[in-house]
Amino acid sequence: NAGVTQTPKFQVLKTGQSMTLQCAQDMNHEYMSWYRQDPGMGLRLIHYSVGAGITDQGEVPNGYNVSRSTTEDFPLRLLSAAPSQTSVYFCASSSPGQAYEQYFGPGTRLTVT
Amino acid sequence: AQTVTQSQPEMSVQEAETVTLSCTYDTSENNYYLFWYKQPPSRQMILVIRQEAYKQQNATENRFSVNFQKAAKSFSLKISDSQLGDTAMYFCAFMKHMYNNNDMRFGAGTRLTVKP
Repeated sequence: NAGVTQTPKFQVLKTGQSMTLQCAQDMNHEYMSWYRQDPGMGLRLIHYSVGAGITDQGEVPNGYNVSRSTTEDFPLRLLSAAPSQTSVYFCASSSPGQAYEQYFGPGTRLTVT
Repeated sequence: AQTVTQSQPEMSVQEAETVTLSCTYDTSENNYYLFWYKQPPSRQMILVIRQEAYKQQNATENRFSVNFQKAAKSFSLKISDSQLGDTAMYFCAFMKHMYNNNDMRFGAGTRLTVKP
């Protein structure tokens, strides 16, 4: 049981490049989320999903796209990277049946130059 | 929108002593969950303890306990018999208990150092 996995662990992009951060979970959780963590600001919710085909915006959605075609996968797309998107990104999954405890992946450190 | 405030950016405690981390939140909801997460230097986020707002009894997990004051919108974490492995960032988090909601809000965190 791998839990929540994220790839890559580290990434450097140039301004304007696009990329996809991958997230997968093998716990059959209905809910998945993407957060970014910046120094002094805690975790902020980017987008979340409550099931395949259903996504919604969080606190800081601008510049990011998501889709959820399967229960297991929830990729995060940066369409045109900006230096302000330099951050650590965490994916998490949860289930209402487990009182919404978020299970987090190990994170991806992204640097945009 | 719900906000979560952790007013102590950094704290330290001697090994084996007790420390309390503060958290307040702002909401008009009556039914919600509150969480404390720990993030050690490894960066992995780990659930420490969870409280459901409708439960009056404070949650406890071994050396970790909370003081949940619903009317005051306060949710502090007490760590007893502090250990070196408790050194980490601690985040307080809030989530409304609502159908098809997965919007969790975090505080800015408190960096706790346990000194030998």
